[in-house]
Amino acid sequence: QQQVKQSPQSLIVQKGGISIINCAYENTAFDYFPWYQQFPGKGPALLIAIRPDVSEKKEGRFTISFNKSAKQFSLHIMDSQPGDSATYFCAASMETSGSRLTFGEGTQLTVNP
Amino acid sequence: ETGVTQTPRHLVMGMTNKKSLKCEQHLGHNAMYWYKQSAKKPLELMFVYNFKEQTENNSVPSRFSPECPNSSHLFLHLHTLQPEDSALYLCASSQDQLAGYPTDTQYFGPGTRLTVL
Repeated sequence: QQQVKQSPQSLIVQKGGISIINCAYENTAFDYFPWYQQFPGKGPALLIAIRPDVSEKKEGRFTISFNKSAKQFSLHIMDSQPGDSATYFCAASMETSGSRLTFGEGTQLTVNP
Repeated sequence: ETGVTQTPRHLVMGMTNKKSLKCEQHLGHNAMYWYKQSAKKPLELMFVYNFKEQTENNSVPSRFSPECPNSSHLFLHLHTLQPEDSALYLCASSQDQLAGYPTDTQYFGPGTRLTVL
């Protein structure tokens, strides 16, 4: 099973709040889990990524939490800002397929001022 | 220019037209990708090239024909498209696309917004 399920489809958060986006996968061979951020009129850009040997990775206000047993991972955006308003995609890949990414459906985040 | 560029940014074509999308990467990468992005759907991988050789065709209809003359350039030739082919077409590149190695970061271009009438 190659799918990656992402939720919610859209999310509205107040400035300063915490944004949480969740993803679940089936294929236990996945070993790389990136999050991409896409602004209108732009292509997706890598935001942060994690490998399953750690349960959490933090870069600034962005944190990935990873639960290997539940086959779930999530993106947390602390102190959300209007400039964070974008579409976020989770993805997964495995070494045996090179850089082939399987993407989630995307979450449109709106941060209100 | 830096990164991954795509031209044109917008394209409107009839079902009988023939057009081409162009992608150029200035990152010295060896792998290039075509994706289709439709609203509320995951990015769909269409084609992968590694060192100019096609390594993946994800069951894409023959009305889409890719071409990779060198590691820096990637084209998508379009002919007799259908209205359901209207979407954002994204090009990406990565250092390599080698099975058995850690996943390389993919860098995306801004896309070509295609409308088929």
